[in-house]
Amino acid sequence: DVKVTQSSRYLVKRTGEKVFLECVQDMDHENMFWYRQDPGLGLRLIYFSYDVKMKEKGDIPEGYSVSREKKERFSLILESASTNQTSMYLCASSNPQDWKTEAFFGQGTRLTVV
Amino acid sequence: AQRVTQPEKLLSVFKGAPVELKCNYSYSGSPELFWYVQYSRQRLQLLLRHISRESIKGFTADLNKGETSFHLKKPFAQEEDSAMYYCALSGGGDDKIIFGKGTRLHILP
Repeated sequence: DVKVTQSSRYLVKRTGEKVFLECVQDMDHENMFWYRQDPGLGLRLIYFSYDVKMKEKGDIPEGYSVSREKKERFSLILESASTNQTSMYLCASSNPQDWKTEAFFGQGTRLTVV
Repeated sequence: AQRVTQPEKLLSVFKGAPVELKCNYSYSGSPELFWYVQYSRQRLQLLLRHISRESIKGFTADLNKGETSFHLKKPFAQEEDSAMYYCALSGGGDDKIIFGKGTRLHILP
């Protein structure tokens, strides 16, 4: 029944490392999202993709990039991890053809940068 | 700019008492409004959406365009309602979904 899968539940990385967070969905959705979830700050949109190779910046794109080479996979890249990127990262997907535009979420990746 | 405001970080309610989680939004067009819920150790999931006008787990939410509000209500709180609740907005041509900061609902026994 799992529809959006994030490759890791927990990650610990060192400052300055390049970090890849992977997300795969099996619902053939065009839209995919990366959010970070922090206590008191809610979910903040990092990047959004509405099609293969298409992307748009969200509210907090600094320090992040994304890759969408295939429809089902959306990767978040931290070029040089920093301690202020320690957070819970959530991937989601939605179908723009569906008038309800419900987003389906992955289980989250808790990233700690030391 | 699109914005979702949830004024309460934490709401504590006794079991059996009514619940109201507040949500206000700013948007220039006709938005779609949602409530998402995250129970402990579970993934974030849709609770309800305004366009469906449905009641899920006893919760309802009415879109008030005049007050730009979409408050979530339940007449009698249950212990299993304890969770993190996020109000969200989608609209315009880009399908982005914008979330509020969330309200943690704690049901007291």
